[in-house]
Amino acid sequence: DTGVSQDPRHKITKRGQNVTFRCDPISEHNRLYWYRQTLGQGPEFLTYFQNEAQLEKSRLLSDRFSAERPKGSFSTLEIQRTEQGDSAMYLCASSYPINTEAFFGQGTRLTVV
Amino acid sequence: AQSVTQLDSHVSVSEGTPVLLRCNYSSSYSPSLFWYVQHPNKGLQLLLKYTSAATLVKGINGFEAEFKKSETSFHLTKPSAHMSDAAEYFCVVSERPDDMRFGAGTRLTVKP
Repeated sequence: DTGVSQDPRHKITKRGQNVTFRCDPISEHNRLYWYRQTLGQGPEFLTYFQNEAQLEKSRLLSDRFSAERPKGSFSTLEIQRTEQGDSAMYLCASSYPINTEAFFGQGTRLTVV
Repeated sequence: AQSVTQLDSHVSVSEGTPVLLRCNYSSSYSPSLFWYVQHPNKGLQLLLKYTSAATLVKGINGFEAEFKKSETSFHLTKPSAHMSDAAEYFCVVSERPDDMRFGAGTRLTVKP
């Protein structure tokens, strides 16, 4: 078990470009979460999947953001027309349904220039 | 609505002295409470969790936390700080599994 894996670890993009991040959860976990963490703040919830179903989306997730988990395994988070305010660490976590503990990946640091 | 406040943004201690990181929470229900640690360039790691069992919770690396409902607090302590404890610590409140609210974090510095 290698834990939660995120790719890439770092991404620098120009404003207006689209970016996509990938998260591979722990294999037997059916819940997957995306969080965003800006400098000096704690992680903020973005969205949550149970298997392939996206069950909740935060108001932070504007129309430019979309997340998928097509087969209930890995997930992707896409940001379209990136803005400088999107610069942050994007964290993925996964958990069992009964055990509420979430296991986090190392995150993808996005810098929009 | 649930929320969590970490009372200190930065705590500095000397190696071998006690650590106290303070956390107050607000919740309409009986929440689960967690402490996570984040080392530079590493993922968030769970230190300990409270889920309505014993009020004194023991975690990894010698950390423990006490749930005090009357004070709505869940402070993190360690009797003797080690250099490797230097990191960012997050208190988390959760009323349901898909809704974890993180505090702003406390940066712990350990001086030799």
